[in-house]
This record gives sequence, structure tokens and C-alpha cells, in this order.
Amino acid sequence: DSGVTQTPKHLITATGQRVTLRCSPRSGDLSVYWYQQSLDQGLQFLIHYYNGEERAKGNILERFSAQQFPDLHSELNLSSLELGDSALYFCASSVGVPGELFFGEGSRLTVL
Amino acid sequence: QQQVKQSPQSLIVQKGGISIINCAYENTAFDYFPWYQQFPGKGPALLIAIRPDVSEKKEGRFTISFNKSAKQFSLHIMDSQPGDSATYFCAASMGNFNKFYFGSGTKLNVKP
Repeated sequence: DSGVTQTPKHLITATGQRVTLRCSPRSGDLSVYWYQQSLDQGLQFLIHYYNGEERAKGNILERFSAQQFPDLHSELNLSSLELGDSALYFCASSVGVPGELFFGEGSRLTVL
Repeated sequence: QQQVKQSPQSLIVQKGGISIINCAYENTAFDYFPWYQQFPGKGPALLIAIRPDVSEKKEGRFTISFNKSAKQFSLHIMDSQPGDSATYFCAASMGNFNKFYFGSGTKLNVKP
């Protein structure tokens, strides 16, 4: 158990809908990263927050947004969903240095 | 543009054999190179990591070899075991750890 909690574990929705994925980092970790893993694909970096502040963005679509709250949990919002958004979304947390990422078990999103 | 290129995509090794996975990068600003191991249904977990000031790091049966001039690094799994069957990802990051770029993954199958 990495200590990172992601909810929901599975989500099935329709095209055009909006969903919110939640991540609770390990106790004490200030950094939260979001990654997308499509079928047989690697991990695509979406966004990184550190102590509530956005630190870096990857290839995150404009339909996607995220935030980190004062209690350090993070939410990834996906809107106007398309079939191609079906993927496993991982959250990872880190204390910052030396940089080890602790991944949750992911939220599997299926868009029908 | 893929920041970290990983090969092979899949690998079959007999029990007791050596598994070798290779990665290459272009950005010379990267200075932290971790390897992650992912079992089905789980998030990736850190296996071993190296910084470019050393050419090799060994932890048990797992060794990272690093070639700074060639901008390549590899994971060697000695005496491979069926329990090592998993997907392995190489990654790279700069010192601020704002972004981690992952390779596309190698699915390793160790035959008993």
C-alpha cells in the first residue's frame, strides 16, 4: 500500500459528460502529480501541484483541469468527455526531494 | 515528442536469465533517472534510481547502467524470477522534480 488513495476506482460515463477524480496523497507529501495511462501506453504527464500551487503542466487538454486544496488532496476534472479519454488516471505524491513518486492504484475511466 | 524512449516493448526471459531493458533520452538537463515496476491492477512503484554522477547502481538483483555520453541508461535484472513478471518504466526528471517523463514501458514475462 503506497498510502495514496484514489477514488473512484472505476467510473463509466457517457460522451459529453463531466467527471471528477479525487486523490489523497500520503501524509506529509506536498506534491501531487496526475498521469494518464491509455491501453498499452506509457504514463503521460498531465499536471503537478506543490502545496496548492501549480508547478508544471504536461500535455493536458483544455477540457481537463485540476486543483490542490488546502488539505493537500487534489481533484482532476475532466469535461466534455470523448471516447478517447477512456484511460487509467494515476495520481502520485511525493515529499519533493529526493523525488520518489508514490502512486495510487488509479481510477479507470470508461467513456461510452 | 517523446522525451524518453524505451525498448523493447515486451520481453520474454527464462527463469534464471538476465533481463535487459534500455532507455534513451535527449535532454541533457535531466539528472535523475528512476525505474518503476508496475504489476497488473496496481500503480507503479519505484524500483531503483540513479543520478548521472555514477555509471552504475546495484540493488540486489537489479542494476542500472548509465552512459552519460550516449544519453542512455538500462535496467538489468539478474537471475530473473517469475515474480519479476511486470511492466517496467524508465523515467527522467530534472532536479526540481516538477515533471517526470516516463518511457512507454516494457512488459516482462519470466517463464518458469
